[in-house]
Amino acid sequence: SSELTQDPAVSVPLGQTVRVTCQGDSLRNYDATWYRQRPGQAPQLVFYGKDNRPSGIADRFSASSSGNTASLTITGAQAEDDADYYCASRDGSAYVFGTGTKVTVL
Amino acid sequence: HVQLQESGPGLAKPSETLSLTCSVSGYSISDGYFWGWIRQPPGKGLEWIGSLFHSGVTFDNPSLKSRVTISLDTSKNQVSLQLNSVTAADTAIYYCARQSGRYFELDQWGQGTLVIVSS
Repeated sequence: SSELTQDPAVSVPLGQTVRVTCQGDSLRNYDATWYRQRPGQAPQLVFYGKDNRPSGIADRFSASSSGNTASLTITGAQAEDDADYYCASRDGSAYVFGTGTKVTVL
Repeated sequence: HVQLQESGPGLAKPSETLSLTCSVSGYSISDGYFWGWIRQPPGKGLEWIGSLFHSGVTFDNPSLKSRVTISLDTSKNQVSLQLNSVTAADTAIYYCARQSGRYFELDQWGQGTLVIVSS
């Protein structure tokens, strides 16, 4: 099955911009989905498809993709964005998660 | 407002079957969407287990498929998971979630339940 690789950790000063990347072969065929998981909580969907943000998710979250790489950008990171972020995508009839990125807001 | 709540034993013995139930409120599971399970070993990443549509169409994680059964009880609006022949490696927080059939996004999640496999 396909694998999705993410950088283990990234930090960003409060109010600055951070990009979380995800690489994998399945991304050549399928759009990435992004989840945020705050400590002790269930994951939460923050972006999916080419341009879909669930209701209640701030518009500072955006996503893009090229080839086998997908990216989630947080423009003007806030303290509440301090969390683990996981990408995911379809892989045929299966679904695979990325390895996860810990985003620390300084 | 859709809500999902997992329940089941918090402890399972090696080689036995892990059984969990997810009760759904605010949405009828027979009205659409796939319903599935995801797990997360303590301190580690997410692993998708599989999902099921009310018509019977299933999507499975190939690495777990031989041990997993997911079922729907539409009369109780519940989703169930059975995982056979468990080992310590199956110790995890188990989440149920609603899954779209287009992007496969998981848009509603339960809070999760911890299952420890130990003798």
